[in-house]
Amino acid sequence: DTGVSQNPRHKITKRGQNVTFRCDPISEHNRLYWYRQTLGQGPEFLTYFQNEAQLEKSRLLSDRFSAERPKGSFSTLEIQRTEQGDSAMYLCASSLAGFGYTFGSGTRLTVV
Amino acid sequence: KNEVEQSPQNLTAQEGEFITINCSYSVGISALHWLQQHPGGGIVSLFMLSSGKKKHGRLIATINIQEKHSSLHITASHPRDSAVYICAAKDSNYQLIWGAGTKLIIKP
Repeated sequence: DTGVSQNPRHKITKRGQNVTFRCDPISEHNRLYWYRQTLGQGPEFLTYFQNEAQLEKSRLLSDRFSAERPKGSFSTLEIQRTEQGDSAMYLCASSLAGFGYTFGSGTRLTVV
Repeated sequence: KNEVEQSPQNLTAQEGEFITINCSYSVGISALHWLQQHPGGGIVSLFMLSSGKKKHGRLIATINIQEKHSSLHITASHPRDSAVYICAAKDSNYQLIWGAGTKLIIKP
């Protein structure tokens, strides 16, 4: 599989619980991005890594959100104390030096 | 005013028709992406272009840097082309600035 892989595909959680999503980018891609998409809206940028360094973080990313890319390969996005407003599709994309973005299928989070 | 604007927002056409979706942007960009998203599906990158024209199968994308305008064309449209088409401008900070998308429905 040479695409961007995201796990899990779907996650249902109770409000207040913590959740963690994983993204495995294309192996030679050095840049990795997280986006959030709510129903009927375009994706919103959350954060961006170049190799293992988190270079930019959106104001949308509150203190409850944290993302890591420990070895410059896969990345995790954790949401602590989930709220109903966190319900969305979380998309991961990777690129090589900013060219040719490839998106994963996303993780759909539902907070009940 | 959004930095990336698409038109039309919704487009319904008959199978076989020639489709044009337009994108205008007001920011300085290093590249412009056209992406496709099927209902409930992931986002697929169709084109990334910084000048001129690109063609892939029945899809054609053009960009005019001076006019800050890009178009996506679909020739001989087919019901399987039904999807949301998104224009996204890549700025110098590596972020993608997304248009609102064009929902395309091709009727058989």
